[in-house]
Amino acid sequence: RKEVEQDPGPFNVPEGATVAFNCTYSNSASQSFFWYRQDCRKEPKLLMSVYSSGNEDGRFTAQLNRASQYISLLIRDSKLSDSATYLCVGMNTGFQKLVFGTGTRLLVSP
Amino acid sequence: NAGVTQTPKFRVLKTGQSMTLLCAQDMNHEYMYWYRQDPGMGLRLIHYSVGEGTTAKGEVPDGYNVSRLKKQNFLLGLESAAPSQTSVYFCASSYDRGNQPQHFGDGTRLSIL
Repeated sequence: RKEVEQDPGPFNVPEGATVAFNCTYSNSASQSFFWYRQDCRKEPKLLMSVYSSGNEDGRFTAQLNRASQYISLLIRDSKLSDSATYLCVGMNTGFQKLVFGTGTRLLVSP
Repeated sequence: NAGVTQTPKFRVLKTGQSMTLLCAQDMNHEYMYWYRQDPGMGLRLIHYSVGEGTTAKGEVPDGYNVSRLKKQNFLLGLESAAPSQTSVYFCASSYDRGNQPQHFGDGTRLSIL
């Protein structure tokens, strides 16, 4: 079982839709979590950190549920420019080892 | 600020050849990392460094060597390239331990024939 698992998608949604991705992790030692965005043939870029209390950044909301060991990302009012692969990332305790999910692909259509 | 810079951007090698990928960061970050990304596998950590003069193995270190002679540079070497090392390589850096995210370079596409 992969340490961080995501549905690969693709999720096909129309502009303006709300879409949610979930990610599960198996290592309870994982302390911190992030969502990264990766455009085709580009490097991953930090989208947002994920906190237990939940956090929001504009149209994006991230949530961490430690009891169920899952992380979620909600995107409201989807834009064409949101089309990308979203990587769920956990950070283990100790040194900063990031564990990446394989990503969920989002396609937003006009 | 350039952030994290990788050179070269693309390279084609023949099996058995050697080469070095260079990663440079200008953010005064202590930690640096090398990953490879393959379809369906996600990013996997090859080697990392927690400071100048230190290196450590990651998840998939075999066939690679690294050096961190200067704080700002992290080199990844392939001594004898194999087709299985065809991949996209990303370098990343972060400030220190704790809940600090990593900043990535824009990648090196390496093909081994």
